Amino acid sequence: GNSVTQMEGPVTLSEEAFLTINCTYTATGYPSLFWYVQYPGEGLQLLLKATKADDKGSNKGFEATYRKETTSFHLEKGSVQVSDSAVYFCALDPARSTLTFGKGTMLLVSP
Amino acid sequence: KAGVTQTPRYLIKTRGQQVTLSCSPISGHRSVSWYQQTPGQGLQFLFEYFSETQRNKGNFPGRFSGRQFSNSRSEMNVSTLELGDSALYLCASSLEGQGDSPLHFGNGTRLTVT
Repeated sequence: GNSVTQMEGPVTLSEEAFLTINCTYTATGYPSLFWYVQYPGEGLQLLLKATKADDKGSNKGFEATYRKETTSFHLEKGSVQVSDSAVYFCALDPARSTLTFGKGTMLLVSP
Repeated sequence: KAGVTQTPRYLIKTRGQQVTLSCSPISGHRSVSWYQQTPGQGLQFLFEYFSETQRNKGNFPGRFSGRQFSNSRSEMNVSTLELGDSALYLCASSLEGQGDSPLHFGNGTRLTVT
């Protein structure tokens, strides 16, 4: 079946540090891949996406590249801010609207 | 443009009762899907409706059901509540599904079963 594995958190960083959150997946076919972010008390917001191999999704300084050979979609940001503190979810979509999510990784950024 | 609206925001119910949650999608969106979020299981897909028809269904018991109205608003119902149904229930809408039309999530309904 389809599954997504994310590194467990929390990930604790100082402001301006480099961020990597690992995500690997198992899926049949060629799913689209997504990163969503959830701030406290809110729903999920789409952060970025990639729909085919070697695509790079980017938004608000975050980037992730769809790596078919390693079945990975790691999230990176060069310099995190306190406002980036949230829970980040990696997800895949093998069919319309049926997202399979990872367990989520909490990011805590201190000043 | 108004976002996805879920009501109520919080609910407290007793075991054995039934509950109905409501979701109003973004105007023009025809697809509505529901997810259950718990600390143990994470986010799990419940079902998706498109133009009043259930198009996809997750692996949940028949106590969980839903429907979509002609204006795309959706409701989900849980009957014979169990303690394990305590969760954040998230609704998401999109134009027609994933791919070029990403999901937009509401802030969820927090259900507590006592």
